[in-house]
Amino acid sequence: GQQVMQIPQYQHVQEGEDFTTYCNSSTTLSNIQWYKQRPGGHPVFLIQLVKSGEVKKQKRLTFQFGEAKKNSSLHITATQTTDVGTYFCAGELSGGYQKVTFGTGTKLQVIP
Amino acid sequence: DAGITQSPRHKVTETGTPVTLRCHQTENHRYMYWYRQDPGHGLRLIHYSYGVKDTDKGEVSDGYSVSRSKTEDFLLTLESATSSQTSVYFCAIRTPGQTHEAFFGQGTRLTVV
Repeated sequence: GQQVMQIPQYQHVQEGEDFTTYCNSSTTLSNIQWYKQRPGGHPVFLIQLVKSGEVKKQKRLTFQFGEAKKNSSLHITATQTTDVGTYFCAGELSGGYQKVTFGTGTKLQVIP
Repeated sequence: DAGITQSPRHKVTETGTPVTLRCHQTENHRYMYWYRQDPGHGLRLIHYSYGVKDTDKGEVSDGYSVSRSKTEDFLLTLESATSSQTSVYFCAIRTPGQTHEAFFGQGTRLTVV
């Protein structure tokens, strides 16, 4: 079955440093979504990428979708304590979004 | 939040007992999902539904069953709970249209002792 791996599993950064998490799928994706889960909370949708090579920005967050549509990354510039949480990618296969597969997540800790 | 309510929010149960978790939505969305979240595994799909009485298995469906007799309710049942089913369970709905974002409920923390 489809597998979506994320690295790293954990990341501690000093406030102000940059952070990147990477997502790799074993199969070509129709689209990829990113979610953020604050400690004790539920996942919240951040963005969806659809096109090969697509890059989207949300303030300090930059999302990329690979040319082959099998990998993606999320980069946060100048982290803040509000960025703390776990970031998940979620890959959707062509033909329907019934079975979106979530990555294992990257837990980000920001040290003030 | 997108009108999704999970109940109960917390439950402790004994091994071998049946447990039913409820997900209720007010959005009239067709697609509903049950995930479990465990450290190191992220969110794993248990079952999903694409309409009333229409359900299908996810990647970790063993030991779980679901039912959807009304659009707004999606029930997850552990027929005979085991300690390996201790987890946080999330219900989600997925919106139609251009973005397929999922809206999650608040989660149910289930402990099987």
